[in-house]
Amino acid sequence: DTGVSQNPRHKITKRGQNVTFRCDPISEHNRLYWYRQTLGQGQEFLTYFQNEAQLEKSRLLSDRFSAERPKGSFSTLEIQRTEQGDSAMYLCASQGAREKLFFGSGTQLSVL
Amino acid sequence: RKEVEQDPGPFNVPEGATVAFNCTYSNSASQSFFWYRQDCRKEPKLLMSVYSSGNEDGRFTAQLNRASQYISLLIRDSKLSDSATYLCVVRGGGADGLTFGKGTHLIIQP
Repeated sequence: DTGVSQNPRHKITKRGQNVTFRCDPISEHNRLYWYRQTLGQGQEFLTYFQNEAQLEKSRLLSDRFSAERPKGSFSTLEIQRTEQGDSAMYLCASQGAREKLFFGSGTQLSVL
Repeated sequence: RKEVEQDPGPFNVPEGATVAFNCTYSNSASQSFFWYRQDCRKEPKLLMSVYSSGNEDGRFTAQLNRASQYISLLIRDSKLSDSATYLCVVRGGGADGLTFGKGTHLIIQP
């Protein structure tokens, strides 16, 4: 499978715990995006990378959120001291030709 | 005004009918426009890009109206399998981040 891969598919955690998600983009894609999707808010942009450089970060991303893309390959999104409001689907996408986004299946986070 | 707005629906349409919905955007400098389709509990997938001249792909036609700042999606001869949420995506002139609308929920009824 040469698509975008995200792990884990589901994560259940207790409030206050830290969680980390991983995204493996399509190998030849330089740009990688993180989005958060909830029923009420739809798709919210979080951040994106051009290779290993984090070029934009949404105001939605509090200090508890951090993303990295070492070596410009896979990316991780970490949430520290999780809150119930962090419960959402976290989607990663890599960008191919003509700005087309290819999404992973997402990580569904539930904070209890 | 929200950056990208869509009527959430749901649009309940009989099979075989034609359905159209719009998406408005607030940034007049927006440069790129797309329609994505998302099935329940699945990730979004690109349906089509929207070009200034409009474009057609089978039963689907997308158009851009820069003067009124909206894009549209027309589905002809709708199929049951067209039932999904259709997301409008816009890239603004100043930011490289893509902004998604909240989606329009379409239900094709037999």
